[in-house]
Amino acid sequence: ILNVEQSPQSLHVQEGDSTNFTCSFPSSNFYALHWYRWETAKSPEALFVMTLNGDEKKKGRISATLNTKEGYSYLYIKGSQPEDSATYLCAFCLSGNTPLVFGKGTRLSVIA
Amino acid sequence: NAGVTQTPKFQVLKTGQSMTLQCAQDMNHEYMSWYRQDPGMGLRLIHYSVGAGITDQGEVPNGYNVSRSTTEDFPLRLLSAAPSQTSVYFCASKDRVGAEKLFFGSGTQLSVL
Repeated sequence: ILNVEQSPQSLHVQEGDSTNFTCSFPSSNFYALHWYRWETAKSPEALFVMTLNGDEKKKGRISATLNTKEGYSYLYIKGSQPEDSATYLCAFCLSGNTPLVFGKGTRLSVIA
Repeated sequence: NAGVTQTPKFQVLKTGQSMTLQCAQDMNHEYMSWYRQDPGMGLRLIHYSVGAGITDQGEVPNGYNVSRSTTEDFPLRLLSAAPSQTSVYFCASKDRVGAEKLFFGSGTQLSVL
């Protein structure tokens, strides 16, 4: 079973602070790394799908980077807002036919 | 475009009862999967399918059966419910080809008494 680790487990930041989380995954046989945003009482929604070493993706104040050689991805949130409060999940897969394996998530709380 | 539709949203069962959680998608996705979400455990894969007639086990398959007779539907069956199966269940689908994102259903909150 593949192991995907996320850190920290939870995070509390003040409104306006910038923050980042880490996702670690096996560095061999890489296919894709996904980031999802999961608000309480809703379903996870995709933020980014990254496939190439060195990939950088951005969506508004949220961005992500990927290092497949060392097996990690960072998710950055600039100027956190209360509406950014959610659990951020990363998921790794070996191929298009294999299932995504999720980390346990980083729970972010942004305090106004 | 409805996306991924899961039913029911809530269900209470007694130990030993059986039931089927329904999942349907209208995006012509070949890949479909079932996850369960428990506190502190993240999303754990139960079963998945890469196309009609093909299913495979995930990390926690015991106590669950699946079938994939059509591209659109991927039901999850609990044969004899146990309290350990109390959880939130999510169905998700994606295009098999390429590194496409997962689309999730709205979830089913299941309690087994």
